[in-house]
Amino acid sequence: EAQVTQNPRYLITVTGKKLTVTCSQNMNHEYMSWYRQDPGLGLRQIYYSMNVEVTDKGDVPEGYKVSRKEKRNFPLILESPSPNQTSLYFCASSRDPDYGYTFGSGTRLTVV
Amino acid sequence: AQSVTQLGSHVSVSEGALVLLRCNYSSSVPPYLFWYVQYPNQGLQLLLKYTSAATLVKGINGFEAEFKKSETSFHLTKPSAHMSDAAEYFCAVLSGGSYIPTFGRGTSLIVHP
Repeated sequence: EAQVTQNPRYLITVTGKKLTVTCSQNMNHEYMSWYRQDPGLGLRQIYYSMNVEVTDKGDVPEGYKVSRKEKRNFPLILESPSPNQTSLYFCASSRDPDYGYTFGSGTRLTVV
Repeated sequence: AQSVTQLGSHVSVSEGALVLLRCNYSSSVPPYLFWYVQYPNQGLQLLLKYTSAATLVKGINGFEAEFKKSETSFHLTKPSAHMSDAAEYFCAVLSGGSYIPTFGRGTSLIVHP
């Protein structure tokens, strides 16, 4: 089944403890992106990538890192999480952005 | 630059009534436009997309949207709401050579029996 897989689905962590949210797609898509979803704010771009080793900052990149060493994987790294990074995170991928993206099921992160 | 405005954070309709969710966009060049649906505890799913082939676009689950350049709008409609349509709906725009869409803030559709 063609899909974008995020792990974990739920995560509660403490301030300052480094964490990684994994994202993997099995569709050989070149384009991948990370969004965060907050009530009343919709989806905001964190980072995106158009191919291996090519990444760009989105609208809200502060406090996040990404890497794209393989086409299928695009992990999101929080080096020192803070409570304002409590949010619902989505990874998405696309073969051709003009025709839309496929989204993962989301990761709900709580930083206490 | 591209931006999207969705009018109304919540829309409430009765089952069987017309659904109308509004989306206006801003783009300096002809855009690609999308509607996504998010059911509770799930990711976003592409509902339909406008890619300049036809101004009236039909999507899944009986939804359709009409691209109106003069009004810079791409409103989503469905003739008869079903309880299963209750979800969050997002409009998105892609233009100007960008490969990352900009999303609106979303509209929560509530369907009353």
